[in-house]
Amino acid sequence: SAVISQKPSRDICQRGTSLTIQCQVDSQVTMMFWYRQQPGQSLTLIATANQGSEATYESGFVIDKFPISRPNLTFSTLTVSNMSPEDSSIYLCSVEDPSSYEQYFGPGTRLTVT
Amino acid sequence: SQKIEQNSEALNIQEGKTATLTCNYTNYSPAYLQWYRQDPGRGPVFLLLIRENEKEKRKERLKVTFDTTLKQSLFHITASQPADSATYLCALGNDYKLSFGAGTTVTVRA
Repeated sequence: SAVISQKPSRDICQRGTSLTIQCQVDSQVTMMFWYRQQPGQSLTLIATANQGSEATYESGFVIDKFPISRPNLTFSTLTVSNMSPEDSSIYLCSVEDPSSYEQYFGPGTRLTVT
Repeated sequence: SQKIEQNSEALNIQEGKTATLTCNYTNYSPAYLQWYRQDPGRGPVFLLLIRENEKEKRKERLKVTFDTTLKQSLFHITASQPADSATYLCALGNDYKLSFGAGTTVTVRA
């Protein structure tokens, strides 16, 4: 299994600003995933981040709004840019065990945009 | 478009009883299906995976069935305990990508 930490755990931000969320894994992994979980709703995959290549974004998510960095095999960041109240959500990162397809999730970052 | 539906209502059960959760899907052909547990303020925790060619999987007090004809999975918690109170998410997978249902909240009364 993998242990994942995220920073910050929560934040309150003003509209129009940007927030960068950090995700650290205790082991080297090939793929890292970023999800959004809006209140009372399911997790939605934002993008997949591979080390050394551009992130792959899902339909409805674009790089300008959610730029992602993946500088090494244990770390990734997700930036939520030019925020609006609609971006208020929990943002989670995860990694997959490729031998079992199990995913391990971080504790999430609770973002409130005012 | 893909749709994943879980029990729309929360489930309240008495300790010791069996909780049965449903996950139905449409417009999807998953290679596998997973169940996760999520506690308030925490990320989901993996519980079980069942592949498309498997009918049933068990792990301790948990049992999952998978019917690809009905496009349905059932998740059972037997001999439920108050510590089982949480939200349970089903997730359909192909390659490395998961699509999640909205979850069912289970409360087990002592």
